[in-house]
Amino acid sequence: AIEMTQSPSSLSASVGDRVTITCRSSQGIRNNLGWYQQKPGKAPNFLMYGGSSLQSGVSSRFSGSGSGTDFTLTINNLQPEDFATYYCLQDHSFPLTFGGGTKLEIK
Amino acid sequence: EVQLVESGGGLVQPGGSLRLSCVASGFTFSDHYSDWVRQAPGKGLEWIGRTRNKPNSYTTEYAASVEGRFTISRDDSKNSLYLQMDSLKTEDTAMYYCASYDTNGYPMGYWGQGTLVTVSS
Repeated sequence: AIEMTQSPSSLSASVGDRVTITCRSSQGIRNNLGWYQQKPGKAPNFLMYGGSSLQSGVSSRFSGSGSGTDFTLTINNLQPEDFATYYCLQDHSFPLTFGGGTKLEIK
Repeated sequence: EVQLVESGGGLVQPGGSLRLSCVASGFTFSDHYSDWVRQAPGKGLEWIGRTRNKPNSYTTEYAASVEGRFTISRDDSKNSLYLQMDSLKTEDTAMYYCASYDTNGYPMGYWGQGTLVTVSS
């Protein structure tokens, strides 16, 4: 199975900051990667796919990049509603695998 | 408005069975692949299985942790996705989410709110 490693596992930041979350796959997955946001007690919410294709309705403060084995999710000008846990998902091959998550907390 | 609504969760004893349902609305459910994902209390997300659509013969894929115990099916006439869970173990305790590809063709673009399964004696 492809292992997805997210870093950091937790992150403290302030409103207005820019943060970057990294996801690394144990083997190449081309651009078959999605990013999901989950708030406490809620279902995950799809943000983007293919490293950079933003879901409609998602703020342009979110951006992504990467291909192959290394991917990043960047959030510019953090807003209070952005504090959540973020997961990457590879759907390049079965079994599909999620990263361990990055919990973004308010400093 | 797109909605996925799960039901069927509850308390079950180890070794028991449970069937979860997920009803979709607001998009053409039959066009898309669908998945089940679970989250144990305080833990991360775990993909457990996928069903493809009719053009792809409704074929399924499973995680090793549930292969042979869980069965995914769908009834496109009812816009419904199902998860039959047999031989349940305490480690199957989790919130179970259904998710579908969205109209842009992205995996797990739509999610339900989840249904809680507790396996305990």
